[in-house]
Amino acid sequence: EAAVTQSPRNKVAVTGGKVTLSCNQTNNHNNMYWYRQDTGHGLRLIHYSYGAGSTEKGDIPDGYKASRPSQENFSLILELATPSQTSVYFCASGDAWTDNQAPLFGEGTRLSVL
Amino acid sequence: GQQVQQSPASLVLQEGENAELQCNFSTSLNSMQWFYQRPEGSLVSLFYNPSGTKQSGRLTSTTVIKERRSSLHISSSQITDSGTYLCAMDGSDTNAYKVIFGKGTHLHVLP
Repeated sequence: EAAVTQSPRNKVAVTGGKVTLSCNQTNNHNNMYWYRQDTGHGLRLIHYSYGAGSTEKGDIPDGYKASRPSQENFSLILELATPSQTSVYFCASGDAWTDNQAPLFGEGTRLSVL
Repeated sequence: GQQVQQSPASLVLQEGENAELQCNFSTSLNSMQWFYQRPEGSLVSLFYNPSGTKQSGRLTSTTVIKERRSSLHISSSQITDSGTYLCAMDGSDTNAYKVIFGKGTHLHVLP
């Protein structure tokens, strides 16, 4: 069954600490995405990837890095976490949009930076 | 930059009423989709609708590419329709599918 799995589901971090959010997909999709969702802003694209080894900046990449070591895995890295990065983060995978294909989303990771 | 505007921002209905949600795009688009976000946060695709009209049960989506807009009509709303409805466009200009979301319409259906 096609799936996108995020870990952890919840995370509390301290300001200045390093946080890694992980995402695994079993859909053999080329493209993967990281979004954050905040009240009043909707879903905003942080980084995305075309495939293993590639990462691209989205609309709000500052303060975040991404890593795509394999087709299945896409990580979001906060080297120096700040309270402004408190949010819900969603990972997604997807290829060309058609009637039979749609992006698939993980369940989200709720991150609190204290 | 590319933007997706959704209206209304929030909507409260009595069960059984109809709803019309709007989505407008700032640039030409390759395709668009409607998503539903459940109250607990999970996201599912409702419609892939690059143009024309599509219907699924009580939901109807109409996209007019030339006018850069799409609508989602919910008929005979039910309490279980409550949640957030998001539209998204494929804003890519390369091989990647750069998905851009609107802020969503928060729907509350009351008994």
